[in-house]
Amino acid sequence: DIQVTQSPSSLSASVGDRVTITCRASQSISTNLNWYQHKPGKAPKILIYAASTLQSGVPSRFSGSGSGADFTLTISSLQPEDFATYFCQESYSTSYTFGQGTKLEIK
Amino acid sequence: EVQLLESGGGFVHPGESLRLSCAGSGFSLSTYAMGWVRQAPGKGLEWVSIIDASGGTTYYADSVKGRFTISRDKSKNTVYLQMNTLRAEDTAVYYCAKDAVDCSTANCYNFFDYWGPGTLVTVSS
Repeated sequence: DIQVTQSPSSLSASVGDRVTITCRASQSISTNLNWYQHKPGKAPKILIYAASTLQSGVPSRFSGSGSGADFTLTISSLQPEDFATYFCQESYSTSYTFGQGTKLEIK
Repeated sequence: EVQLLESGGGFVHPGESLRLSCAGSGFSLSTYAMGWVRQAPGKGLEWVSIIDASGGTTYYADSVKGRFTISRDKSKNTVYLQMNTLRAEDTAVYYCAKDAVDCSTANCYNFFDYWGPGTLVTVSS
């Protein structure tokens, strides 16, 4: 099975900061990597799929990059509503493995 | 508007069974693959199972294989997750999600584009 390692597990930042979250797969997954935002008590929300394609309606401050085994989610200028937990997910295999999550907190 | 709503969660004892339902509206559930994802207390998201659009192909996480069964009823636009021999470690919020496919490039990419609000399953003695 493909393992997905996400880092950091938590991150403190301020409004306006640029933040980066990374995911590393245990093997090459091409660009089959998705990013979700999850807030407590709410359904997860797709932000980016295919490593770098912004889902319709998602603000352009979110961007994704990478291919093979290493991927990055970047938020260019944090907004108050961005404080949440972020998960990556591989869709290369039939197991759709998620990363462990990154909790983004207000500094 | 696409909406998903899970139901059937609750409190059960270890070894007991539960069936979760996920009712879809605003789209034909039979046109898309559908999945279940769970989140245990204080933990991350864990993919549980997926069923293809036809209902003929299913996949399961190793942690639930042999105990959980995913199915769909096209007439009711509903997907189910039958959970047998439940364990304490199955305690989680269970989400159903609609699988989207983008084949606009040379390759096709899958992702979950709509999710339900989740239903809580608690397994405890």
